[in-house]
Amino acid sequence: EVQLVESGGGLVQPGRSLRLSCAASGFTFDDYAMHWVRQAPGKGLEWVSGISWNSGSIGYADSVKGRFTISRDNAKNSLYLQMNSLRAEDTALYYCAKVFSAIAVADAFDYWGQGTLVTVSS
Amino acid sequence: EIVLTQSPGTLSLSPGERATLSCRASQSVSSSYLAWYQQKPGQAPRLLIYGASSRATGIPDRFSGSGSGTDFTLTISRLEPEDFAVYYCQQYGSSLQFTFGPGTKVDIK
Repeated sequence: EVQLVESGGGLVQPGRSLRLSCAASGFTFDDYAMHWVRQAPGKGLEWVSGISWNSGSIGYADSVKGRFTISRDNAKNSLYLQMNSLRAEDTALYYCAKVFSAIAVADAFDYWGQGTLVTVSS
Repeated sequence: EIVLTQSPGTLSLSPGERATLSCRASQSVSSSYLAWYQQKPGQAPRLLIYGASSRATGIPDRFSGSGSGTDFTLTISRLEPEDFAVYYCQQYGSSLQFTFGPGTKVDIK
């Protein structure tokens, strides 16, 4: 059974940093691209960042470019999101998601975690 | 960046009725890399349709997707009580620059 479990969220002051983690199990992690998607309270989905299976291709939404860094450790079956210079508008539930097809970079997301909540407030 | 627009914002229908949801892209979505997701309150999104028209594993055949280029449609042939939710389209054809539409809420009339 595929499982994605996010952690690392919490309350943080504006300008500070936070690192999110996503622990994956139930599939061959190093075959699949992975992504982060966020959802502000009561709002829609926003794609944040994605990384290919071998970390060779990485992309970011314009809203986080230069502040967030995505990475993965295939030996630990883990995905990360380093978030620096946090702003109030980064407050959201952050989901990690797995793509549908092995090796594909551009693909739909067939499994999602339950999310970890990040609140940016003084 | 490809911007997705969904209409209507809210669709009020009764169980058994047909739902037609629209997703329009600001530029052509390559290779029909368009997906649809369903989200219920307190839950993560669920993949319904990928490649514009392919149903994901376990998705009932009352859900169908169509379209290409800039215009895409999700159709629910006969609404079941569990289908009342928010639906999002997503393009994933622009290399690691994905976007979601703002969503269409299907609620009970």
